[in-house]
Amino acid sequence: GESVGLHLPTLSVQEGDNSIINCAYSNSASDYFIWYKQESGKGPQFIIDIRSNMDKRQGQRVTVLLNKTVKHLSLQIAATQPGDSAVYFCAEKRGGADGLTFGKGTHLIIQP
Amino acid sequence: GAVVSQHPSWVICKSGTSVKIECRSLDFQATTMFWYRQFPKQSLMLMATSNEGSKATYEQGVEKDKFLINHASLTLSTLTVTSAHPEDSSFYICSASPAAGLAVTDTQYFGPGTRLTVL
Repeated sequence: GESVGLHLPTLSVQEGDNSIINCAYSNSASDYFIWYKQESGKGPQFIIDIRSNMDKRQGQRVTVLLNKTVKHLSLQIAATQPGDSAVYFCAEKRGGADGLTFGKGTHLIIQP
Repeated sequence: GAVVSQHPSWVICKSGTSVKIECRSLDFQATTMFWYRQFPKQSLMLMATSNEGSKATYEQGVEKDKFLINHASLTLSTLTVTSAHPEDSSFYICSASPAAGLAVTDTQYFGPGTRLTVL
């Protein structure tokens, strides 16, 4: 299940199950959204992105859903594998040369 | 393609000294690079936007005289932490956006990060 720790929320799932990681973004003017995966001691790794003119985008084993009405973003990972264990961050930006605003992150733990 | 490197990967320094961190885009040109800071078990926070050939833009609360940024070429940006103190200990991560003609693309590629420990 999902729990909120002192810093990062944690989501624990069984290997092979699907994972859903949620994110609430803050800026209604944001028009580009990205999910990143970060392993311990490493930089963020791009997973999938979506623009505000879309509500769903699929990649390999991953799907991102965007609900602009409630400013909500989710990442679905199908058939979760041990290598999916990491911290997942959503990020948002406006157009142009703006930097990214990151969400709080969710620690995904895969149970064998 | 789209590889960003950082050097050093980790550094330990004494309080009061200055530390320089390099961020390089290895196989593309980056008009814009970004510097982020991440404390343990927390999210990334944007510190500044580095533009080639011009002054960096700092986020609110980030001291520009403490965190000096230089973006001298389309493949290199440096962050210098001046007079470092223990509270500056953190994971510093850069990202770079490939230039597409005159436009800056949305995609940001991240470096592996630099772990700074100030004693």
